[in-house]
Amino acid sequence: GAVVSQHPSWVICKSGTSVKIECRSLDFQATTMFWYRQFPKQSLMLMATSNEGSKATYEQGVEKDKFLINHASLTLSTLTVTSAHPEDSSFYICSAPGDSSYNEQFFGPGTRLTVL
Amino acid sequence: KQEVTQIPAALSVPEGENLVLNCSFTDSAIYNLQWFRQDPGKGLTSLLLIQSSQREQTSGRLNASLDKSSGRSTLYIAASQPGDSATYLCAARANQAGTALIFGKGTTLSVSS
Repeated sequence: GAVVSQHPSWVICKSGTSVKIECRSLDFQATTMFWYRQFPKQSLMLMATSNEGSKATYEQGVEKDKFLINHASLTLSTLTVTSAHPEDSSFYICSAPGDSSYNEQFFGPGTRLTVL
Repeated sequence: KQEVTQIPAALSVPEGENLVLNCSFTDSAIYNLQWFRQDPGKGLTSLLLIQSSQREQTSGRLNASLDKSSGRSTLYIAASQPGDSATYLCAARANQAGTALIFGKGTTLSVSS
């Protein structure tokens, strides 16, 4: 199956700093990628849809100025958490639909963000 | 707005038992439905993908069924093993291009030896 990578796998940062997370589709192109957030013992909540060549669309309640998304190419989307606070500590996972007719979603391994 | 519900939230069974995990969704106009496994602190492992036109999919000891009209899917695990212990997530994708998966809260399974 298709492979999606994320970098870094974990990051610890100080409150007030910005953190960038990369999501790459390794063997296929993705015009759309999705970013999810998962708090401990909770399910995955969709944050935003990243669109190559256009602005991301954000789910209700997600601050677009805080979570900056850039879909720089057909294989790369980045999520930047700006001015991170401890409440932003979470597990961030990206996904991309494969290019087969099944349109299966392929997920990255996730990035665990801890804000001190 | 699509909502996905999973019952039960947690399940404990002895090794060897067959078990069923339930998933329901409010909007039957789905494109497909996926079942995932998530180990603690890890990412997602895709188990089965069922297209809207399909009734079931099988992979090894796993069998997933889909009944769109009633808004339900089940994941059947045969002859459970301790290694099956994990959280199982059900996710539905709306019947529109470029849409994301909507996840249930998951069922945490514990299989004791």
